Amino acid sequence: NAGVTQTPKFRILKIGQSMTLQCTQDMNHNYMYWYRQDPGMGLKLIYYSVGAGITDKGEVPNGYNVSRSTTEDFPLRLELAAPSQTSVYFCASSYGQGMIGQETQYFGPGTRLLVL
Amino acid sequence: AQSVTQLDSQVPVFEEAPVELRCNYSSSVSVYLFWYVQYPNQGLQLLLKYLSGSTLVKGINGFEAEFNKSQTSFHLRKPSVHISDTAEYFCAVWSGSARQLTFGSGTQLTVLP
Repeated sequence: NAGVTQTPKFRILKIGQSMTLQCTQDMNHNYMYWYRQDPGMGLKLIYYSVGAGITDKGEVPNGYNVSRSTTEDFPLRLELAAPSQTSVYFCASSYGQGMIGQETQYFGPGTRLLVL
Repeated sequence: AQSVTQLDSQVPVFEEAPVELRCNYSSSVSVYLFWYVQYPNQGLQLLLKYLSGSTLVKGINGFEAEFNKSQTSFHLRKPSVHISDTAEYFCAVWSGSARQLTFGSGTQLTVLP
């Protein structure tokens, strides 16, 4: 299993540009998550999904959109990039067999985004 | 609301010395507690977690943590560290009233030769 894969690894955007961060997992996990990690801070949840067609906002959803059309994929869309969105973005997944709060989350390697 | 405080942002320690990384949480209800490790340029991976039962939890790579409800703490320990343990360590909590895992700001453990 490849686990959780993310593309691209690095990206530089200009203010106002848009892009999609891709996330795919091959573990047949039901739950998927998007986090951002800023220097000296813990991870902040942007959006999460408990299954195909179901998404919900996390702590910091503004400026982002998500969709979940398949179990495997959970892309994150930035519509109008701003310098405040410079961060490292992590996608994660978990089995989704029981209580979501008890589950181990499996993380991808991250996408480093710089908005200038 | 739940929150997590990692009291030390940087912990340098010599190889083969013991280490303790401190974590305190605030929550008025029962909690699930996690420690994740992030090696350079990688995603996070689970070290250990406390869901219920024994308050001493053993994880991978020789790490263990003790849940102390009265002190609302979940400190991570290892009796003898290796160079390869150099990484950032995150404590996280999920409480019944929350809809998400809340992470602390992280502790950078640097093991010196």
